Amino acid sequence: EPEVTQTPSHQVTQMGQEVILRCVPISNHLYFYWYRQILGQKVEFLVSFYNNEISEKSEIFDDQFSVERPDGSNFTLKIRSTKLEDSAMYFCASSVRTTGETQYFGPGTRLLVL
Amino acid sequence: GESVGLHLPTLSVQEGDNSIINCAYSNSASDYFIWYKQESGKGPQFIIDIRSNMDKRQGQRVTVLLNKTVKHLSLQIAATQPGDSAVYFCAENPPGTYKYIFGTGTRLKVLA
Repeated sequence: EPEVTQTPSHQVTQMGQEVILRCVPISNHLYFYWYRQILGQKVEFLVSFYNNEISEKSEIFDDQFSVERPDGSNFTLKIRSTKLEDSAMYFCASSVRTTGETQYFGPGTRLLVL
Repeated sequence: GESVGLHLPTLSVQEGDNSIINCAYSNSASDYFIWYKQESGKGPQFIIDIRSNMDKRQGQRVTVLLNKTVKHLSLQIAATQPGDSAVYFCAENPPGTYKYIFGTGTRLKVLA
């Protein structure tokens, strides 16, 4: 069964460093998403991406964040200058079509900013 | 896993009993709802979905009920098994948006 994959599973970084989280969405899916879950909090939407551009973003997704689809299979989330409060589980998701369709989630990357 | 440390409501059920997990959603205009299961160390796994033009949908051992009047969603698991132990989240998709809005989650513990 096709699934979303994410690398790395864990990442530890120093405050102020840049990190890139990687995702491989399900191959026939066209819509891609990033969510995060800070420990003890809900899963929160960050951004959605379609046709090589951001289709929607949340207030959390400020200028420190960017997304990219560098090739036909990968979808990345970059945090330019990490802050302590960026420590969270980051989930990538993908869906075949747009709103009102099932989003399938990857296993997540646990990011720890020291 | 991601659930460690979360102060979640917990539902404990005996193996073989039925489980009912409840969720209140926020946006009365939301038209698509999903239940996810999250096991320790894994991402949310799709269980079942329902659209706002329905009030009930059944899957294999699971049933989702939607009450739009009170913005309430429930997940019923029949004959609960040890493998059902996990955190369960509901999510809503407001119309015209790409995002899902997640609930806080409920931890289901199945007692042998």
